[in-house]
Amino acid sequence: EPEVTQTPSHQVTQMGQEVILRCVPISNHLYFYWYRQILGQKVEFLVSFYNNEISEKSEIFDDQFSVERPDGSNFTLKIRSTKLEDSAMYFCASRERDRGLYSNQPQHFGDGTRLSIL
Amino acid sequence: KQEVTQIPAALSVPEGENLVLNCSFTDSAIYNLQWFRQDPGKGLTSLLLIQSSQREQTSGRLNASLDKSSGRSTLYIAASQPGDSATYLCAEETSGSRLTFGEGTQLTVNP
Repeated sequence: EPEVTQTPSHQVTQMGQEVILRCVPISNHLYFYWYRQILGQKVEFLVSFYNNEISEKSEIFDDQFSVERPDGSNFTLKIRSTKLEDSAMYFCASRERDRGLYSNQPQHFGDGTRLSIL
Repeated sequence: KQEVTQIPAALSVPEGENLVLNCSFTDSAIYNLQWFRQDPGKGLTSLLLIQSSQREQTSGRLNASLDKSSGRSTLYIAASQPGDSATYLCAEETSGSRLTFGEGTQLTVNP
């Protein structure tokens, strides 16, 4: 069964450094998402992306964050200058488009990247 | 602001028991309600999605229901097995994009 693939599985970075988290969504999916889960807390929405632009972002997704779909397969999340509080598990998700303007298909998640900021 | 609450936070049952996990949401303008399973250190596995126009969805031993008027969803697991042990998350979708998650119910099925 097709799956969302995320790399690396674990990233350790010094505070203030830039980090790029990578995702390969399921191939025929057109909607892409990033979520994060701080240890012991709820999964939180960061951003959604469709048709090569951000369709929605949360209050967490400030100017330090950016997303990109550099080619036909990858979807990346960049954190420009990491902070200690950015330590979390970051999940990428994708979803198939329905025939209508809005998709009622489920979001499919990757296994996540554990980001540790020192 | 949407809030999603799951009760109980943890549940331990003997193998073979039928069980119900509860999810409450505050925003009645719901598009979809999605149930996930999360194993330790792993991602989220989609179990069932219920559209706002639907009342329930079934997959194997799992049955999820949705009551928009009361703001509740339940996940029923029949004949539980040790392999069902995991954290179960429900998530509400309202804006057509983001999922708002509950805290999860940690289920342990004892052999």
